[in-house]
Amino acid sequence: SQQGEEDPQALSIQEGENATMNCSYKTSINNLQWYRQNSGRGLVHLILIRSNEREKHSGRLRVTLDTSKKSSSLLITASRAADTASYFCATDANSGAGSYQLTFGKGTKLSVIP
Amino acid sequence: DAGITQSPRHKVTETGTPVTLRCHQTENHRYMYWYRQDPGHGLRLIHYSYGVKDTDKGEVSDGYSVSRSKTEDFLLTLESATSSQTSVYFCATQTSISTISSYEQYFGPGTRLTVT
Repeated sequence: SQQGEEDPQALSIQEGENATMNCSYKTSINNLQWYRQNSGRGLVHLILIRSNEREKHSGRLRVTLDTSKKSSSLLITASRAADTASYFCATDANSGAGSYQLTFGKGTKLSVIP
Repeated sequence: DAGITQSPRHKVTETGTPVTLRCHQTENHRYMYWYRQDPGHGLRLIHYSYGVKDTDKGEVSDGYSVSRSKTEDFLLTLESATSSQTSVYFCATQTSISTISSYEQYFGPGTRLTVT
Protein backbone atom coordinates (compact mmCIF):
# COMPACT_ATOMS: atom_id res chain seq x y z
CA SER A 1 0.00 0.00 0.00
CA GLN A 2 1.11 3.59 -0.58
CA GLN A 3 2.84 5.21 2.34
CA GLY A 4 2.75 8.75 0.98
CA GLU A 5 -0.20 10.52 -0.56
CA GLU A 6 0.32 13.80 -2.38
CA ASP A 7 -2.21 16.56 -2.55
CA PRO A 8 -3.38 17.99 -4.85
CA GLN A 9 -3.22 15.40 -7.63
CA ALA A 10 -2.84 18.18 -10.18
CA LEU A 11 -1.94 21.85 -9.90
CA SER A 12 -1.88 24.53 -12.59
CA ILE A 13 -0.29 27.93 -11.94
CA GLN A 14 1.08 30.91 -13.82
CA GLU A 15 4.80 31.38 -14.24
CA GLY A 16 6.21 33.37 -11.35
CA GLU A 17 3.67 32.13 -8.82
CA ASN A 18 4.53 29.80 -5.95
CA ALA A 19 3.50 26.14 -6.01
CA THR A 20 2.77 24.15 -2.87
CA MET A 21 2.37 20.40 -2.78
CA ASN A 22 1.58 18.33 0.26
CA CYS A 23 2.38 14.78 1.26
CA SER A 24 0.83 12.74 4.04
CA TYR A 25 2.14 9.40 5.24
CA LYS A 26 0.98 6.73 7.62
CA THR A 27 3.83 5.30 9.67
CA SER A 28 6.90 6.64 11.41
CA ILE A 29 9.77 7.50 9.12
CA ASN A 30 13.48 8.15 9.29
CA ASN A 31 13.61 10.48 6.31
CA LEU A 32 11.35 11.91 3.63
CA GLN A 33 12.49 12.69 0.11
CA TRP A 34 10.98 14.60 -2.79
CA TYR A 35 11.55 13.63 -6.42
CA ARG A 36 10.65 15.24 -9.73
CA GLN A 37 9.69 13.43 -12.90
CA ASN A 38 9.59 15.14 -16.24
CA SER A 39 7.27 13.61 -18.81
CA GLY A 40 8.67 10.36 -20.19
CA ARG A 41 11.74 10.43 -17.97
CA GLY A 42 13.00 8.81 -14.79
CA LEU A 43 12.71 10.42 -11.37
CA VAL A 44 15.27 12.89 -10.14
CA HIS A 45 16.03 13.47 -6.48
CA LEU A 46 15.30 16.99 -5.23
CA ILE A 47 15.74 17.09 -1.49
CA LEU A 48 15.80 14.95 1.64
CA ILE A 49 14.59 15.99 5.06
CA ARG A 50 15.32 14.00 8.18
CA SER A 51 12.66 13.16 10.73
CA ASN A 52 14.31 15.48 13.28
CA GLU A 53 14.29 18.45 10.90
CA ARG A 54 11.34 20.81 10.46
CA GLU A 55 12.37 22.79 7.41
CA LYS A 56 14.97 22.61 4.68
CA HIS A 57 15.83 24.83 1.74
CA SER A 58 17.52 24.18 -1.57
CA GLY A 59 17.51 26.99 -4.09
CA ARG A 60 13.86 27.76 -4.88
CA LEU A 61 12.68 24.70 -2.97
CA ARG A 62 11.46 24.75 0.60
CA VAL A 63 10.42 21.55 2.34
CA THR A 64 8.70 21.31 5.70
CA LEU A 65 8.06 18.24 7.80
CA ASP A 66 5.57 17.84 10.63
CA THR A 67 6.04 14.40 12.13
CA SER A 68 3.19 14.92 14.61
CA LYS A 69 0.80 15.28 11.67
CA LYS A 70 2.74 12.86 9.46
CA SER A 71 2.86 15.39 6.67
CA SER A 72 5.32 17.29 4.52
CA SER A 73 5.03 20.11 2.05
CA LEU A 74 7.13 21.14 -0.92
CA LEU A 75 7.09 24.79 -1.92
CA ILE A 76 8.54 25.91 -5.23
CA THR A 77 8.94 29.67 -5.32
CA ALA A 78 8.88 31.86 -8.41
CA SER A 79 7.89 28.96 -10.62
CA ARG A 80 9.13 28.59 -14.19
CA ALA A 81 7.76 26.73 -17.17
CA ALA A 82 10.65 24.28 -16.73
CA ASP A 83 9.21 23.28 -13.33
CA THR A 84 6.34 21.57 -15.16
CA ALA A 85 6.62 17.96 -13.99
CA SER A 86 5.20 15.44 -11.56
CA TYR A 87 6.45 15.59 -7.99
CA PHE A 88 6.60 12.61 -5.66
CA CYS A 89 7.28 12.25 -1.99
CA ALA A 90 9.01 9.10 -0.78
CA THR A 91 9.41 7.76 2.71
CA ASP A 92 11.89 5.20 3.89
CA ALA A 93 11.46 1.98 5.75
CA ASN A 94 14.63 0.25 6.75
CA SER A 95 14.04 -3.41 6.33
CA GLY A 96 16.97 -4.76 8.24
CA ALA A 97 19.81 -6.96 7.04
CA GLY A 98 21.37 -4.01 5.26
CA SER A 99 18.40 -3.36 3.00
CA TYR A 100 16.64 -0.07 2.40
CA GLN A 101 13.33 0.69 0.72
CA LEU A 102 11.52 3.82 -0.36
CA THR A 103 7.75 3.99 -0.64
CA PHE A 104 6.48 6.55 -3.13
CA GLY A 105 3.25 8.46 -3.22
CA LYS A 106 1.10 8.84 -6.31
CA GLY A 107 2.44 12.26 -7.18
CA THR A 108 1.28 15.79 -7.90
CA LYS A 109 1.27 16.88 -11.53
CA LEU A 110 2.36 20.50 -11.73
CA SER A 111 1.74 22.61 -14.83
CA VAL A 112 3.37 26.03 -15.00
CA ILE A 113 1.82 28.21 -17.67
CA PRO A 114 4.17 30.72 -19.33
CA ASP B 1 22.41 10.84 -14.70
CA ALA B 2 24.20 8.20 -12.64
CA GLY B 3 25.09 6.06 -15.63
CA ILE B 4 22.00 3.90 -15.55
CA THR B 5 20.69 2.38 -18.73
CA GLN B 6 17.70 0.17 -19.29
CA SER B 7 17.06 -2.17 -22.18
CA PRO B 8 14.93 -2.47 -24.08
CA ARG B 9 13.32 0.96 -23.85
CA HIS B 10 10.12 -0.23 -25.44
CA LYS B 11 8.72 -3.72 -25.84
CA VAL B 12 5.49 -5.25 -27.00
CA THR B 13 4.95 -8.87 -26.15
CA GLU B 14 2.16 -11.40 -26.09
CA THR B 15 0.43 -12.82 -23.05
CA GLY B 16 2.16 -15.91 -21.72
CA THR B 17 5.64 -15.17 -23.05
CA PRO B 18 8.62 -14.63 -20.77
CA VAL B 19 10.22 -11.20 -20.81
CA THR B 20 13.51 -10.01 -19.35
CA LEU B 21 14.33 -6.37 -18.73
CA ARG B 22 17.89 -5.32 -18.07
CA CYS B 23 19.25 -2.56 -15.89
CA HIS B 24 22.91 -1.68 -16.22
CA GLN B 25 24.83 0.79 -14.05
CA THR B 26 28.36 2.07 -14.26
CA GLU B 27 28.52 3.70 -10.81
CA ASN B 28 29.33 0.61 -8.70
CA HIS B 29 26.28 1.28 -6.53
CA ARG B 30 25.49 -1.49 -4.12
CA TYR B 31 21.69 -1.20 -4.09
CA MET B 32 19.46 -1.68 -7.09
CA TYR B 33 15.68 -1.55 -7.40
CA TRP B 34 12.93 -2.35 -9.86
CA TYR B 35 9.73 -0.30 -9.76
CA ARG B 36 6.65 -0.22 -11.90
CA GLN B 37 4.71 2.96 -12.55
CA ASP B 38 1.02 2.90 -13.36
CA PRO B 39 -1.54 5.70 -13.57
CA GLY B 40 -3.19 6.21 -10.21
CA HIS B 41 -0.62 4.11 -8.36
CA GLY B 42 2.60 6.05 -8.51
CA LEU B 43 5.74 3.93 -8.23
CA ARG B 44 5.58 0.54 -6.58
CA LEU B 45 8.57 -1.57 -5.63
CA ILE B 46 8.79 -4.96 -7.31
CA HIS B 47 12.15 -6.36 -6.14
CA TYR B 48 15.39 -4.97 -4.90
CA SER B 49 18.97 -6.07 -4.44
CA TYR B 50 21.36 -5.14 -1.64
CA GLY B 51 24.37 -6.85 -3.15
CA VAL B 52 25.45 -9.40 -5.70
CA LYS B 53 23.14 -12.40 -5.42
CA ASP B 54 21.28 -10.71 -2.54
CA THR B 55 17.72 -9.88 -3.52
CA ASP B 56 14.37 -9.51 -1.82
CA LYS B 57 10.74 -8.95 -2.67
CA GLY B 58 8.96 -5.64 -2.74
CA GLU B 59 5.31 -4.70 -2.57
CA VAL B 60 4.23 -6.16 -5.94
CA SER B 61 6.56 -9.10 -6.59
CA ASP B 62 4.07 -11.74 -7.75
CA GLY B 63 4.80 -12.82 -11.31
CA TYR B 64 8.29 -11.32 -11.29
CA SER B 65 11.74 -12.67 -10.53
CA VAL B 66 15.13 -10.97 -10.46
CA SER B 67 18.76 -11.87 -10.65
CA ARG B 68 21.96 -10.04 -9.93
CA SER B 69 25.09 -11.98 -10.82
CA LYS B 70 27.36 -8.93 -10.92
CA THR B 71 27.29 -5.46 -9.42
CA GLU B 72 26.43 -3.60 -12.60
CA ASP B 73 23.49 -5.67 -13.86
CA PHE B 74 20.05 -6.27 -12.37
CA LEU B 75 17.63 -8.31 -14.44
CA LEU B 76 13.86 -8.37 -14.06
CA THR B 77 12.01 -11.34 -15.54
CA LEU B 78 8.31 -11.66 -16.11
CA GLU B 79 7.95 -15.39 -16.08
CA SER B 80 4.71 -15.46 -18.08
CA ALA B 81 3.61 -11.99 -19.06
CA THR B 82 0.02 -10.92 -18.41
CA SER B 83 -1.88 -7.84 -19.53
CA SER B 84 -1.84 -6.57 -15.92
CA GLN B 85 1.94 -6.27 -16.24
CA THR B 86 1.62 -3.64 -18.95
CA SER B 87 3.43 -0.75 -17.31
CA VAL B 88 6.47 1.47 -17.31
CA TYR B 89 9.34 -0.16 -15.44
CA PHE B 90 12.04 1.86 -13.76
CA CYS B 91 15.34 0.72 -12.40
CA ALA B 92 17.02 2.70 -9.65
CA THR B 93 20.33 2.51 -7.83
CA GLN B 94 21.62 3.73 -4.51
CA THR B 95 25.20 3.92 -3.32
CA SER B 96 24.75 2.60 0.21
CA ILE B 97 22.77 3.17 3.38
CA SER B 98 25.68 4.16 5.53
CA THR B 99 25.24 7.95 5.45
CA ILE B 100 22.36 10.38 5.00
CA SER B 101 23.78 11.54 1.69
CA SER B 102 23.62 8.01 0.34
CA TYR B 103 19.85 7.67 0.64
CA GLU B 104 19.21 9.31 -2.71
CA GLN B 105 18.10 6.96 -5.47
CA TYR B 106 19.11 7.41 -9.09
CA PHE B 107 16.68 6.36 -11.76
CA GLY B 108 17.07 4.98 -15.22
CA PRO B 109 15.03 6.24 -18.19
CA GLY B 110 12.40 3.50 -17.95
CA THR B 111 11.12 0.66 -20.12
CA ARG B 112 7.62 0.83 -21.53
CA LEU B 113 6.23 -2.70 -21.70
CA THR B 114 2.97 -3.57 -23.40
CA VAL B 115 1.51 -7.05 -23.03
CA THR B 116 -1.16 -7.82 -25.64
